[in-house]
This record gives sequence, structure tokens and C-alpha cells, in this order.
Amino acid sequence: DIQMTQSPSSLSASVGDRVTITCRASQSISTHLNWYQQKPGNPPNLLIYAASTLQGGVPSRFSGSGSGTDFSLTISSLQPEDFATYYCQQSYSSPRSFGQGTKLEIK
Amino acid sequence: QVQLVESGGGVVQPGKSLRLSCAASGFTFSNYGVHWVRQAPGKGLEWVAVIWYDGSNKDYADSLKGRFTISRDNSKNTLYLQMNNLRVEDTAVYYCAREDLAYCGGDCGYYFDYWGQGTLVTVSS
Repeated sequence: DIQMTQSPSSLSASVGDRVTITCRASQSISTHLNWYQQKPGNPPNLLIYAASTLQGGVPSRFSGSGSGTDFSLTISSLQPEDFATYYCQQSYSSPRSFGQGTKLEIK
Repeated sequence: QVQLVESGGGVVQPGKSLRLSCAASGFTFSNYGVHWVRQAPGKGLEWVAVIWYDGSNKDYADSLKGRFTISRDNSKNTLYLQMNNLRVEDTAVYYCAREDLAYCGGDCGYYFDYWGQGTLVTVSS
């Protein structure tokens, strides 16, 4: 089974900051890596798929990169609505697996 | 519009059973694989199970094999999760999610594009 490890687990930042969250897979997953945003009381929402493709309707300040085992999600200029928890997820093989999440908090 | 609506959650004693349902609408249910994903209170997302579009293939998280059974009825556009011998650690919000093939000009994998709002299962004596 593929293990996904995110870092950091939590992050404090200010509006306007640039932040990067990383995700590492325990084996190569090509670019079969997705990023989700989750706000309290809501299901996850797809932000980026195939490592770097922005889902429709997602602001362009979100970007993703990486391939193989190392991936990153970058928010170029944090907005108030971006404070949430972010998860990476691999779709390379079953069982699907998620990272443990990164909680992005307001500094 | 695509909708997934879970039901069947509630409070149950350890060792008891519960069946969750996920009613799908707004798309051709029989064309998609669907998954269950759960989230314990204050914790991260945990993948539970998948069933292929036609029910021909299923897979489960190792820790749940033998206790949970995923199934679907394409004539009713409904996904199910039968949970037996429930444990306190099964307490979570259970989401159903549709998985679609990603299109990006190459080998793109899959993604969960639609999720239900979740149903809370509480296992407590």
C-alpha cells in the first residue's frame, strides 16, 4: 500500500503570504496526485488533480507541482477564505490513500 | 446537478451493525466507481472502500476487511456500506465520493470530484 506523508501538519500564515505544502509518496505515483481543501463541517473539495491541473472554478493562486514521489501545493497570495485543511491523495493504485492533512491557520 | 446524499448514520452500541446508503442523482450512476471515505472527529480523511461501476470489483482498507461490505444497486442509483461488529474507533463521518477519470493530456489518474455531505456514525455504549 502507498503511504502519503504531508508536511507541515500545521502552518500559521498571514493574508497575502505565499505558502507551500509538501506531500511525499512512499513509492512513485507518476503524477496521480490530487489536492483537496476542506473547511469545518464540509466535505473535501477538489483543488488540483494530476499533480498540477487546476480544477474548474479554483482560483489561479493555487498551483501544484511534482511527479514521482515528491509533490507540492502552493498558494501564491493567501486570501481569508483559504484558511482550511489541505489533503493530498494518490490515485495511482488501490487502496487510495490520503496524507494526514495540513491545517492552515491565520497568524 | 450531481448530488450524493448519505443516510443511515446514528448512534449504535459496540458490536452492533449499521447500513449506510448513498443516493446518487444528476449523473449516470452505473458509469462510475464510487468510494466511501471516513473522518473521525478532529482527524484526517481515511479511505474505506471502493466498488467499480458495475459492482464487479471491490476493495477495502486492510483494517476493515471482514467487517465492512460495500455494494451498489445501479437500478436504484444507490451505494451501500454494511458495517458489522462496530467498534468505538469506527466513530466518524462517512462520506461517499464519486471517482472520475482525470483528463490532462496524458496519464492523469483519477480524482474524487463529487462528495456527499456525510453521515455521522457514533459507536458508543
